[in-house]
Amino acid sequence: AQSVAQPEDQVNVAEGNPLTVKCTYSVSGNPYLFWYVQYPNRGLQFLLKYITGDNLVKGSYGFEAEFNKSQTSFHLKKPSALVSDSALYFCAVRDLDTGRRALTFGSGTRLQVQP
Amino acid sequence: GAGVSQSPSNKVTEKGKDVELRCDPISGHTALYWYRQSLGQGLEFLIYFQGNSAPDKSGLPSDRFSAERTGGSVSTLTIQRTQQEDSAVYLCASSSSSGTNEQFFGPGTRLTVL
Repeated sequence: AQSVAQPEDQVNVAEGNPLTVKCTYSVSGNPYLFWYVQYPNRGLQFLLKYITGDNLVKGSYGFEAEFNKSQTSFHLKKPSALVSDSALYFCAVRDLDTGRRALTFGSGTRLQVQP
Repeated sequence: GAGVSQSPSNKVTEKGKDVELRCDPISGHTALYWYRQSLGQGLEFLIYFQGNSAPDKSGLPSDRFSAERTGGSVSTLTIQRTQQEDSAVYLCASSSSSGTNEQFFGPGTRLTVL
């Protein structure tokens, strides 16, 4: 079985400060990891993904995520937060070694960036 | 090009009624997924279609839920005899045939069962 944990329901950060949204995962095989963002009354938008290769993945809107196999983590980061980054962020995982393509999502972390 | 579209955007129904939710995937995408997002929770997988293969129905919560995909494109999710616990946002996503490609989501249908 595969699972994702986002331990923080909400993260508050001041504009201009670095931000981190945490995600840990569990799969039996090799992970395929995603971050999605959801703005109010809108669908999920893809931010970035990790399959193989460089552990630091760069995505949309200046976001990046670091894959850490030993800690089974895939934390989302941004060097300098913007008020417009305030949204709901979801981490998701898929086990590449199974035929199942459905993603398993975390419960989401609400990011609040204060001006 | 156009993204994933879903209709209706909002649906209010009475307990016990049947509802149909529609999804139009991105043109050329062979994979289509339905998820459910309940208030304050993450996304719950419901069903997955890939080309002409048998769908993966492992996430459907009960036999009141069913889905079909006609002509490899449009999909309809049907909920029979709706219950209040079915109230949620139902999201559809599509992806290309490559197994590693990301899923693109529609705006969702907000279902409220009174």
